[in-house]
Amino acid sequence: QSALTQPASVSGSPGQSITISCTGTSSDVGGYDYVSWYQQHPGKAPKLMIYDVNNRPSGVSNRFSGSKSGNTASLTISGLQAEDEADYYCSSFTTTSIFVVFGGGTKLTVL
Amino acid sequence: QVQLQESGPGLVKPSQTLSLTCTVSGASISSGGYYWSWIRQPAGKGLEWIGRIYTTGSTNYNPSLKSRVTISVDTSKNQFSLKLSSVTAADTAVYYCARVTATGIFGYWGQGTLVTVSS
Repeated sequence: QSALTQPASVSGSPGQSITISCTGTSSDVGGYDYVSWYQQHPGKAPKLMIYDVNNRPSGVSNRFSGSKSGNTASLTISGLQAEDEADYYCSSFTTTSIFVVFGGGTKLTVL
Repeated sequence: QVQLQESGPGLVKPSQTLSLTCTVSGASISSGGYYWSWIRQPAGKGLEWIGRIYTTGSTNYNPSLKSRVTISVDTSKNQFSLKLSSVTAADTAVYYCARVTATGIFGYWGQGTLVTVSS
């Protein structure tokens, strides 16, 4: 069982927007603005898409955005494209001994 | 451009020690400012953080694996390594090395290497 809770799957049609949630506790998501999101295509390494809740690394499309409210962080993808179909993982810095925790991952299907 | 590349045996027998090395290019481990980490992913499952090391050799490990894990660094070769002892089939996974900040941002990843534990 993962430390952060994500829905197993979400789906949307091209052009639509979807949101993936990531729920933790006050020791991780709720306690710090150190939430990241990763995109992983089959057989590939994860790719950083969002860091520090709502910052995009250089080269990441502005269709990707992040937010946080309380113990829940969210990733929103607007203007869905076929290439967005992938698994998405959230992670958070944590004050527990583990340093960082991951969500269980969400499979995004573009219909 | 920072690049990381994992290397090591793809097959390990049960009860033996898994050993992997990550070679870093485009950045110097000895420069500091970042930690160097190992993460694994069993087939069809999520990501699990294994541990991290700083240029000084200071380490932190996932408590669930701490008794079996050793991460070391060789700054002269710009490499860091993972050893996981007493492996079982449950340790079968793709193992990634990555560069990580102090606040848990994994900015650069290796391509991953599949390690299978089987006799």
